[in-house]
Amino acid sequence: GAVVSQHPSRVICKSGTSVKIECRSLDFQATTMFWYRQFPKQSLMLMATSNEGSKATYEQGVEKDKFLINHASLTLSTLTVTSAHPEDSSFYICSARDLLRELVETQYFGPGTRLLVL
Amino acid sequence: DQQVKQNSPSLSVQEGRISILNCDYTNSMFDYFLWYKKYPAEGPTFLISISSIKDKNEDGRFTVFLNKSAKHLSLHIVPSQPGDSAVYFCAASLGSQGNLIFGKGTKLSVKP
Repeated sequence: GAVVSQHPSRVICKSGTSVKIECRSLDFQATTMFWYRQFPKQSLMLMATSNEGSKATYEQGVEKDKFLINHASLTLSTLTVTSAHPEDSSFYICSARDLLRELVETQYFGPGTRLLVL
Repeated sequence: DQQVKQNSPSLSVQEGRISILNCDYTNSMFDYFLWYKKYPAEGPTFLISISSIKDKNEDGRFTVFLNKSAKHLSLHIVPSQPGDSAVYFCAASLGSQGNLIFGKGTKLSVKP
Protein backbone atom coordinates (compact mmCIF):
# COMPACT_ATOMS: atom_id res chain seq x y z
CA GLY A 1 0.00 0.00 0.00
CA ALA A 2 0.91 3.66 -0.17
CA VAL A 3 3.56 4.79 2.28
CA VAL A 4 4.09 8.14 3.95
CA SER A 5 7.21 8.69 6.01
CA GLN A 6 7.99 11.31 8.62
CA HIS A 7 11.34 12.41 9.92
CA PRO A 8 12.30 12.63 12.68
CA SER A 9 10.10 10.24 14.61
CA ARG A 10 11.00 11.88 17.88
CA VAL A 11 12.69 15.16 18.75
CA ILE A 12 13.59 16.89 21.97
CA CYS A 13 14.59 20.54 21.81
CA LYS A 14 15.14 23.52 24.03
CA SER A 15 12.60 26.27 24.33
CA GLY A 16 13.15 28.98 21.74
CA THR A 17 14.68 26.78 19.08
CA SER A 18 13.08 25.81 15.77
CA VAL A 19 12.30 22.27 14.69
CA LYS A 20 11.68 21.02 11.15
CA ILE A 21 9.59 17.93 10.46
CA GLU A 22 9.59 16.30 7.05
CA CYS A 23 6.74 14.40 5.45
CA ARG A 24 7.34 12.35 2.33
CA SER A 25 5.05 10.30 0.13
CA LEU A 26 7.23 7.41 -0.95
CA ASP A 27 5.36 5.72 -3.77
CA PHE A 28 2.83 8.25 -4.97
CA GLN A 29 2.55 11.94 -5.66
CA ALA A 30 0.50 14.34 -3.58
CA THR A 31 -0.56 17.86 -4.44
CA THR A 32 -2.29 18.01 -1.08
CA MET A 33 -0.74 17.15 2.25
CA PHE A 34 -2.18 17.74 5.70
CA TRP A 35 -0.63 18.43 9.08
CA TYR A 36 -2.38 17.30 12.24
CA ARG A 37 -1.58 17.66 15.91
CA GLN A 38 -2.69 15.25 18.59
CA PHE A 39 -2.54 15.96 22.31
CA PRO A 40 -2.77 13.02 24.74
CA LYS A 41 -6.17 11.36 24.68
CA GLN A 42 -7.45 13.90 22.19
CA SER A 43 -8.44 13.64 18.56
CA LEU A 44 -6.24 14.45 15.61
CA MET A 45 -6.75 18.15 14.98
CA LEU A 46 -6.10 19.51 11.51
CA MET A 47 -3.61 22.34 11.65
CA ALA A 48 -3.16 23.18 8.00
CA THR A 49 -3.54 21.95 4.46
CA SER A 50 -0.36 22.06 2.44
CA ASN A 51 -0.71 22.65 -1.29
CA GLU A 52 2.14 21.96 -3.67
CA GLY A 53 3.41 25.16 -5.23
CA SER A 54 1.17 27.48 -3.26
CA LYS A 55 0.62 28.77 0.25
CA ALA A 56 -0.74 26.53 2.95
CA THR A 57 -4.24 26.96 4.29
CA TYR A 58 -4.30 27.20 8.07
CA GLU A 59 -7.16 26.25 10.34
CA GLN A 60 -8.62 28.82 12.67
CA GLY A 61 -6.45 29.40 15.72
CA VAL A 62 -3.25 28.06 14.16
CA GLU A 63 -0.50 30.66 13.89
CA LYS A 64 0.92 30.59 10.39
CA ASP A 65 4.04 32.48 11.45
CA LYS A 66 4.77 29.91 14.11
CA PHE A 67 4.04 26.80 12.08
CA LEU A 68 5.73 27.30 8.75
CA ILE A 69 4.72 24.90 6.01
CA ASN A 70 6.54 24.35 2.76
CA HIS A 71 5.32 21.97 0.06
CA ALA A 72 8.06 22.32 -2.50
CA SER A 73 7.50 19.12 -4.45
CA LEU A 74 4.83 16.52 -5.09
CA THR A 75 6.41 14.19 -2.56
CA LEU A 76 7.63 16.45 0.24
CA SER A 77 6.07 18.82 2.73
CA THR A 78 7.83 20.28 5.75
CA LEU A 79 6.49 21.75 8.97
CA THR A 80 8.78 24.05 10.92
CA VAL A 81 7.83 24.88 14.48
CA THR A 82 9.54 28.22 15.07
CA SER A 83 10.62 29.40 18.50
CA ALA A 84 9.16 26.29 20.07
CA HIS A 85 7.76 26.45 23.61
CA PRO A 86 6.74 23.68 26.01
CA GLU A 87 3.08 24.08 25.05
CA ASP A 88 4.02 23.08 21.49
CA SER A 89 4.97 19.64 22.78
CA SER A 90 2.66 17.27 20.99
CA PHE A 91 2.38 14.48 18.44
CA TYR A 92 2.45 15.82 14.89
CA ILE A 93 1.09 13.64 12.08
CA CYS A 94 1.14 14.37 8.40
CA SER A 95 -0.92 12.80 5.68
CA ALA A 96 -0.80 12.91 1.91
CA ARG A 97 -3.59 12.53 -0.58
CA ASP A 98 -2.90 10.62 -3.79
CA LEU A 99 -3.25 13.18 -6.56
CA LEU A 100 -4.62 10.59 -8.95
CA ARG A 101 -7.63 9.99 -6.78
CA GLU A 102 -7.93 12.94 -4.36
CA LEU A 103 -10.34 11.10 -2.08
CA VAL A 104 -10.35 10.82 1.68
CA GLU A 105 -9.85 7.06 1.37
CA THR A 106 -6.61 7.68 -0.52
CA GLN A 107 -5.30 10.00 2.17
CA TYR A 108 -2.42 8.15 3.77
CA PHE A 109 -0.92 8.98 7.14
CA GLY A 110 2.65 9.13 8.31
CA PRO A 111 3.75 7.49 11.58
CA GLY A 112 3.92 10.80 13.42
CA THR A 113 6.61 12.87 15.13
CA ARG A 114 6.75 13.22 18.89
CA LEU A 115 7.98 16.71 19.81
CA LEU A 116 9.07 17.51 23.33
CA VAL A 117 10.11 21.07 24.09
CA LEU A 118 12.00 21.53 27.34
CA ASP B 1 -16.53 21.77 20.52
CA GLN B 2 -16.28 18.15 19.38
CA GLN B 3 -18.13 17.59 16.14
CA VAL B 4 -17.25 13.90 16.17
CA LYS B 5 -17.49 12.06 19.46
CA GLN B 6 -16.30 8.67 20.56
CA ASN B 7 -17.52 8.45 24.12
CA SER B 8 -15.86 5.16 25.02
CA PRO B 9 -12.11 5.58 25.45
CA SER B 10 -11.61 1.83 25.68
CA LEU B 11 -13.29 -1.50 24.96
CA SER B 12 -12.26 -5.02 25.89
CA VAL B 13 -13.63 -8.02 24.01
CA GLN B 14 -12.96 -11.74 24.01
CA GLU B 15 -11.47 -13.27 20.90
CA GLY B 16 -14.18 -14.60 18.57
CA ARG B 17 -16.87 -12.28 19.91
CA ILE B 18 -18.23 -9.14 18.30
CA SER B 19 -16.63 -5.74 18.88
CA ILE B 20 -18.91 -2.74 18.53
CA LEU B 21 -17.35 0.70 18.40
CA ASN B 22 -19.60 3.71 18.48
CA CYS B 23 -19.37 7.23 17.12
CA ASP B 24 -21.70 10.22 17.24
CA TYR B 25 -21.56 13.43 15.27
CA THR B 26 -23.21 16.78 15.65
CA ASN B 27 -22.92 18.38 12.23
CA SER B 28 -25.77 17.20 10.03
CA MET B 29 -23.88 18.45 6.97
CA PHE B 30 -21.38 15.59 7.26
CA ASP B 31 -22.14 13.08 4.54
CA TYR B 32 -19.10 10.84 4.48
CA PHE B 33 -17.78 8.78 7.35
CA LEU B 34 -14.67 6.70 7.82
CA TRP B 35 -13.04 4.44 10.35
CA TYR B 36 -9.30 4.29 10.86
CA LYS B 37 -7.18 1.87 12.81
CA LYS B 38 -3.99 2.95 14.54
CA TYR B 39 -1.23 0.85 16.04
CA PRO B 40 1.33 2.41 18.40
CA ALA B 41 4.12 4.32 16.61
CA GLU B 42 2.23 4.09 13.31
CA GLY B 43 -0.09 6.46 11.51
CA PRO B 44 -3.82 5.76 11.17
CA THR B 45 -4.73 3.41 8.35
CA PHE B 46 -8.03 3.53 6.51
CA LEU B 47 -10.39 0.70 7.35
CA ILE B 48 -13.84 1.29 5.91
CA SER B 49 -16.09 4.16 4.85
CA ILE B 50 -19.74 4.90 4.27
CA SER B 51 -21.58 7.68 2.54
CA SER B 52 -24.81 9.12 3.84
CA ILE B 53 -26.81 7.59 1.03
CA LYS B 54 -26.24 4.19 2.60
CA ASP B 55 -26.98 2.79 6.02
CA LYS B 56 -24.61 -0.14 5.90
CA ASN B 57 -21.30 -1.05 4.33
CA GLU B 58 -19.57 -4.36 4.78
CA ASP B 59 -16.01 -5.46 4.09
CA GLY B 60 -15.10 -8.88 5.35
CA ARG B 61 -15.20 -8.92 9.14
CA PHE B 62 -15.89 -5.18 9.29
CA THR B 63 -19.31 -3.59 8.93
CA VAL B 64 -20.18 0.05 9.42
CA PHE B 65 -23.74 1.08 10.19
CA LEU B 66 -25.01 4.62 9.80
CA ASN B 67 -28.11 6.04 11.47
CA LYS B 68 -28.53 9.53 10.04
CA SER B 69 -31.54 10.46 12.13
CA ALA B 70 -29.60 9.70 15.30
CA LYS B 71 -26.33 11.08 13.88
CA HIS B 72 -24.70 7.86 14.95
CA LEU B 73 -22.48 5.31 13.34
CA SER B 74 -20.94 2.12 14.57
CA LEU B 75 -18.23 -0.27 13.50
CA HIS B 76 -18.81 -3.97 14.03
CA ILE B 77 -15.93 -6.41 13.94
CA VAL B 78 -16.88 -10.06 13.93
CA PRO B 79 -15.26 -12.31 14.83
CA SER B 80 -12.76 -10.21 16.77
CA GLN B 81 -9.12 -11.28 16.66
CA PRO B 82 -6.18 -10.34 18.90
CA GLY B 83 -4.60 -8.56 15.92
CA ASP B 84 -7.54 -6.18 15.92
CA SER B 85 -6.27 -4.66 19.15
CA ALA B 86 -5.57 -1.02 18.29
CA VAL B 87 -7.02 2.45 18.61
CA TYR B 88 -9.95 3.04 16.28
CA PHE B 89 -10.76 6.55 15.09
CA CYS B 90 -14.04 7.63 13.61
CA ALA B 91 -13.86 10.51 11.14
CA ALA B 92 -16.39 12.58 9.22
CA SER B 93 -16.11 14.63 6.08
CA LEU B 94 -18.12 16.89 3.86
CA GLY B 95 -18.14 14.76 0.75
CA SER B 96 -15.50 12.26 -0.31
CA GLN B 97 -12.92 15.00 -0.87
CA GLY B 98 -13.43 17.11 2.22
CA ASN B 99 -11.21 17.56 5.26
CA LEU B 100 -11.40 14.88 7.92
CA ILE B 101 -12.77 15.63 11.37
CA PHE B 102 -11.69 12.99 13.86
CA GLY B 103 -13.05 11.64 17.11
CA LYS B 104 -10.77 10.98 20.08
CA GLY B 105 -10.49 7.29 19.40
CA THR B 106 -11.42 4.09 21.19
CA LYS B 107 -8.76 1.65 22.30
CA LEU B 108 -9.88 -1.89 21.52
CA SER B 109 -8.30 -4.82 23.31
CA VAL B 110 -9.15 -8.29 22.05
CA LYS B 111 -8.15 -10.92 24.56
CA PRO B 112 -7.25 -14.48 23.50
